[in-house]
Amino acid sequence: AQKITQTQPGMFVQEKEAVTLDCTYDTSDPSYGLFWYKQPSSGEMIFLIYQGSYDQQNATEGRYSLNFQKARKSANLVISASQLGDSAMYFCAMREVTGGFKTIFGAGTRLFVKA
Amino acid sequence: EAGVAQSPRYKIIEKRQSVAFWCNPISGHATLYWYQQILGQGPKLLIQFQNNGVVDDSQLPKDRFSAERLKGVDSTLKIQPAKLEDSAVYLCASSFGLAYSSYNEQFFGPGTRLTVL
Repeated sequence: AQKITQTQPGMFVQEKEAVTLDCTYDTSDPSYGLFWYKQPSSGEMIFLIYQGSYDQQNATEGRYSLNFQKARKSANLVISASQLGDSAMYFCAMREVTGGFKTIFGAGTRLFVKA
Repeated sequence: EAGVAQSPRYKIIEKRQSVAFWCNPISGHATLYWYQQILGQGPKLLIQFQNNGVVDDSQLPKDRFSAERLKGVDSTLKIQPAKLEDSAVYLCASSFGLAYSSYNEQFFGPGTRLTVL
């Protein structure tokens, strides 16, 4: 069965430093996609980055990169040069190809960026 | 480009009453999703449509929840009758790609916050 685990309920990071948000997943489907979303206090979910299970290289989008370790079933989000505006909830999500194409989300990690 | 629109933004009802939420996806997006997000949790997919057909509704409590997307554009989600545990934010999302893909960047609306008293 699909499962996404985010073990860090809250994280603190100093402005301009890098931070890693952890995500592990469980699936028996060889074809799947992994996503990270940001949810500011306004409530709207914002897509950040995507990694396909067959992608050889780690995905990068600006200050966001995804550290994909397939054998360990982990897909950690790295935010470089943190900004105050990065303070938000961050959700890891997975979408299987054969599992009915449901997207499942983890419980989220709240990131606090300190000035 | 206009984003995903949802209304109302807030709704307060008493248990056993009915409520309906409306969603207008981004123009041209074939796939539409409804999620339920209970406070402190990640979103939970309730139903997804591709055009006007249901792709997956396995997590929709069909005894009280219903959803439709009749013309393949906007969609409504209804709860009848509501229970206290239905208090949550209901998020609508849409994506350009077809539902049968591992990659489907989803664009979310602002959500409807439902409080059931």
